[in-house]
Parts: sequence; structure tokens; C-alpha cells
Amino acid sequence: GEDVEQSLFLSVREGDSSVINCTYTDSSSTYLYWYKQEPGAGLQLLTYIFSNMDMKQDQRLTVLLNKKDKHLSLRIADTQTGDSAIYFCAESIGDYKLSFGAGTTVTVRA
Amino acid sequence: DTGVSQNPRHKITKRGQNVTFRCDPISEHNRLYWYRQTLGQGPEFLTYFQNEAQLEKSRLLSDRFSAERPKGSFSTLEIQRTEQGDSAMYLCASSFGQGLDKNIQYFGAGTRLSVL
Repeated sequence: GEDVEQSLFLSVREGDSSVINCTYTDSSSTYLYWYKQEPGAGLQLLTYIFSNMDMKQDQRLTVLLNKKDKHLSLRIADTQTGDSAIYFCAESIGDYKLSFGAGTTVTVRA
Repeated sequence: DTGVSQNPRHKITKRGQNVTFRCDPISEHNRLYWYRQTLGQGPEFLTYFQNEAQLEKSRLLSDRFSAERPKGSFSTLEIQRTEQGDSAMYLCASSFGQGLDKNIQYFGAGTRLSVL
């Protein structure tokens, strides 16, 4: 199957950490991705992780991959109001196609 | 770096009309992808090109849809006899297409289609 599942909503206080979780199904996925989408805009590639890695850190972003459980998470440290957006998890299917979850809407409150 | 460019950003049309969208990929990217996104959902794959060759089409791409990439640079997506169910955001992406990062896809801002 090609189902990527994410929780739909997350509310976080400004300055706290956000953690967005995702499960995927294709154990042969080479890469897993996190994209950000602001209202009315396209998708911005935030980060991606190769399937043979457990963790990747990039400034305020930390990606954790548990390949055994097919679980991916994105942690945003020191969440800011500009981080309010929809975050999509995606897995690669074959070497050309991405399969996306429905997105997690993150709301940052003051 | 100009990124992936899509035109128009918005298109409103009446049911039954034909529409065409354009995508200009990142230069030197030889793969180009089309996705469709409906409200509250993630993007769904439609089709992709390696240079000028269309290598894969989703079953979502009915015979009213056609995509071209004649010179391996920009691409067009045409929808004939539009239906209200075609209303969606149409997203284009491109990737380098070679090496380990061949499938790292960068998206454009999308074309939002509204069929009345």
C-alpha cells in the first residue's frame, strides 16, 4: 500500500518544541521527506532523510526515523509564529513518485 | 536560482472549457512531475517526465488530461472539457534526475483551478 498517515492538528505555544509524527508503509522507500505549505502556496522542501539514517539535524529541525516501525518524526525547536503551516510527510515510491500524507496543521499560539 | 515557476497562479473557467497550465522547472533538472492537490489532502502524483519522455501516468490522469514536455524543458498540462471535479491545485515539481538525489523534488507555487 501507499498510505502515509499523520495526525491532523497540532497546537503549540511559541517557544516550545513541536513534534509531528508520521507512519508510512513502503519499507523500500529510499528517502522520506518533510514539506511545509503555507496558505495558498506550494510546497517547500524542509528536509529529507535517507532510509539508512536514524537521525538528521538541520538547525531547528530534527528528523528521527524508526525504520522497523516505519515511523518518522519532525521536531521543530523553539517554535515561532512563522512555523504555523501545514506539514506533509512523504515517502518515495520507486525512484520517481512521492506519496504524501494528508498533512498536519500546526498552529503556534502566543 | 529561480526555482520552479508555474503559470497562471489562478484559473477560473466554466465547465466544458479547456485549460492549459505551464511549468518551468529548475534549470538543469531533467525530471519534471505533475501532482494534484484537493482541499484538505496531500498532493497526488499524476505523471512525470525524464527529459522529454513521459515515463509514468497515474490512473488519476483520465483521457481528458494530457501533459507534454516537447523540448525537455518546460511542460504543459492540458485539461479538456473541464468538470467541476477538476477543481484543485495543480503542482509541478522538478528534480535533478541523476545520482543519489535524483528524486529530491522541489515544487512550484501551483496553479489553482476553479471550474464553475
